[in-house]
Amino acid sequence: DAKTTQPNSMESNEEEPVHLPCNHSTISGTDYIHWYRQLPSQGPEYVIHGLTSNVNNRMASLAIAEDRKSSTLILHRATLRDAAVYYCILRPSNSGYALNFGKGTSLLVTP
Amino acid sequence: ETGVTQSPTHLIKTRGQQVTLRCSSQSGHNTVSWYQQALGQGPQFIFQYYREEENGRGNFPPRFSGLQFPNYSSELNVNALELDDSALYLCASSFSSSGRRETQYFGPGTRLLVL
Repeated sequence: DAKTTQPNSMESNEEEPVHLPCNHSTISGTDYIHWYRQLPSQGPEYVIHGLTSNVNNRMASLAIAEDRKSSTLILHRATLRDAAVYYCILRPSNSGYALNFGKGTSLLVTP
Repeated sequence: ETGVTQSPTHLIKTRGQQVTLRCSSQSGHNTVSWYQQALGQGPQFIFQYYREEENGRGNFPPRFSGLQFPNYSSELNVNALELDDSALYLCASSFSSSGRRETQYFGPGTRLLVL
């Protein structure tokens, strides 16, 4: 399985944009890029996913490099409630069951 | 719409005992996955059930087993508990059809401590 690399931790000020990077240099053509986050004392929750084009939803934006070897999750205006561990996960289109979580990036948001 | 629920929230067992954890899927979902999350680590996939049959398994020994019921609720059973089984156990439900598997929705987890 292709692997992802994320920084262990990042820090942001409240109400500022946050760019969370993810490297996946061995990604295959059929791998979707998924992002989940896990707030303290909760289970993970889906944030966004994409294949090739940039994606936007109410929670975040996903920017995917042209060669697809990296991607960036963008929180446009961080709030204290965005403090969580963010996981970047590759999910093959022909395999549906397992989400292969790494250690993720722990995001600290300060007021 | 009711989300994914898990019971109990916390549990303490001793080494060698057996434990059963329960999960109720989100309404309309027919697939359930179980994950183990050790402290400071990301969740690790245990197995998935679809239409009451196991259809995918991670690197976990046979003493980890499961059931899915007709109402799509599920159980995770662990026999012969070991100290390393201490972790947060997460259940996730999703809807699958024609080989397509949708977003997984997670419950809050059951924290198991093995002494």
